[in-house]
Amino acid sequence: EIVMTQSPVILSVSPGESATLSCRASQSVANNLAWYQQKPGQAPRLLVYGASTRATGVPARFSGRGSGTEFTLTISSLQSEDFAVYYCQQYLDWPPYTFGGGTKVEIK
Amino acid sequence: EVQLVESGGGLVQPGGSLRLSCAASGFTFRTYAMSWVRQAPGKGLEWVSIIGTSVGNTFHADSVKGRFTISRDNSRDTLYLQMNSLTAADTAVYYCAKAEGYCSDGTCYRYFDYWGRGALVTVSS
Repeated sequence: EIVMTQSPVILSVSPGESATLSCRASQSVANNLAWYQQKPGQAPRLLVYGASTRATGVPARFSGRGSGTEFTLTISSLQSEDFAVYYCQQYLDWPPYTFGGGTKVEIK
Repeated sequence: EVQLVESGGGLVQPGGSLRLSCAASGFTFRTYAMSWVRQAPGKGLEWVSIIGTSVGNTFHADSVKGRFTISRDNSRDTLYLQMNSLTAADTAVYYCAKAEGYCSDGTCYRYFDYWGRGALVTVSS
């Protein structure tokens, strides 16, 4: 089973600043990596797939990078609606599909 | 517009059973794999099960294997999760998710592009 590790657990950022979230896989997943955003009381929302392709309707301020075992999600110029929990998920080696533990982006 | 609406959640005693349903609309249901993902209170996401477009093409997480069964009725555009022998560890919000991705050399690589709002399952005496 591929273990996904996200860091940091909590990221405190001021509105308008940028945030970089990290996701590490215990073995290579090539570019089979997705990012999701989840707000309190809501379902997860797909942001990025294929490590760097934004999903439909996702603002350009969200950008994904990486391949192999190291990935990042950068949110430039954070808006109020961007404060949420973010999860990465690998889909190369399954079952099981595995998610990271999440990074909470909170207002500083 | 893609819509996924779960139903069937509730309170059940340990050892009991429950069947979740997910009504799909806004896309050609029969042509997509579908999955269940759960989230225990205050915790992260855990993949549970996936079903392909073909009958019998199902996979489950080890934590639910032998207890949960995923199925689908393409004539009703509905996904199901039959949950038996429930324990407190199964308490979670269960999300239905549409799987998207690509297939290569007989293997498909899928992420989850649309999610329902979830159904809460509480296992407690």
